[in-house]
Amino acid sequence: QITLRESGPTVVKPTQTLTLTCTFSGFSLSTSGVGVAWIRQPPGKALEWLAFIQWDDDKAYRPSLKSRLTITKDTAKNQVVLTMSNMDPVDTATYYCAHIVPLRVGSGSFWFDPWGEGTLVTVSS
Amino acid sequence: DIQMTQSPSSLSASVGDRVTITCRASQTINTFLNWYQHQPGKAPKLLIYAAYSLQSGVPSRFSGSGSGTDFTLTISSLQAEDFATYYCQQSYSSFTFGGGTKVEIK
Repeated sequence: QITLRESGPTVVKPTQTLTLTCTFSGFSLSTSGVGVAWIRQPPGKALEWLAFIQWDDDKAYRPSLKSRLTITKDTAKNQVVLTMSNMDPVDTATYYCAHIVPLRVGSGSFWFDPWGEGTLVTVSS
Repeated sequence: DIQMTQSPSSLSASVGDRVTITCRASQTINTFLNWYQHQPGKAPKLLIYAAYSLQSGVPSRFSGSGSGTDFTLTISSLQAEDFATYYCQQSYSSFTFGGGTKVEIK
């Protein structure tokens, strides 16, 4: 059974850097084709993909946030860490991490399953 | 960037109704299209992957169709537990979600 859990601060101040950790079990990020993504949902708005990292350390970021995001993995600890710099009140959202599943390795077809329960981060002074 | 447009943004329906949600991509995405159900306070749940494949454990009243730029999620007979927000998501070029469709009780 695959599970993921997000952890990090519930409140950050404007201009601070947010660090979120996704701790997972049931799979290894050293296995070919495996990945983890971060997605967020601002209150009352739609889901937004933020970043992903794959087993081979391939990474990608949401273009509009690329300069502020960094994603890393610790395979031994079964963790993926997302940092977002220069936080602003508009970054207030529930942040989710999710397991990335490929249709088959190299196919380019991926989906997110399962997801963590999410963690609400509020940006306020 | 590939944009995903869902319609309608919300709908009201009764238990037993047939519900159809559409998703249009700004460019062709083959069948690299997935559907999720999101209920308040819960983690989003995968329903359909690769346009028409039903995720294990998901009731057969959910179905997906389409390829290229136009896709559809259909709920053949709406149940009480289906009232939620539904999102499409493409993986052809990075990832993008649609704006969501909120299904409410009529």
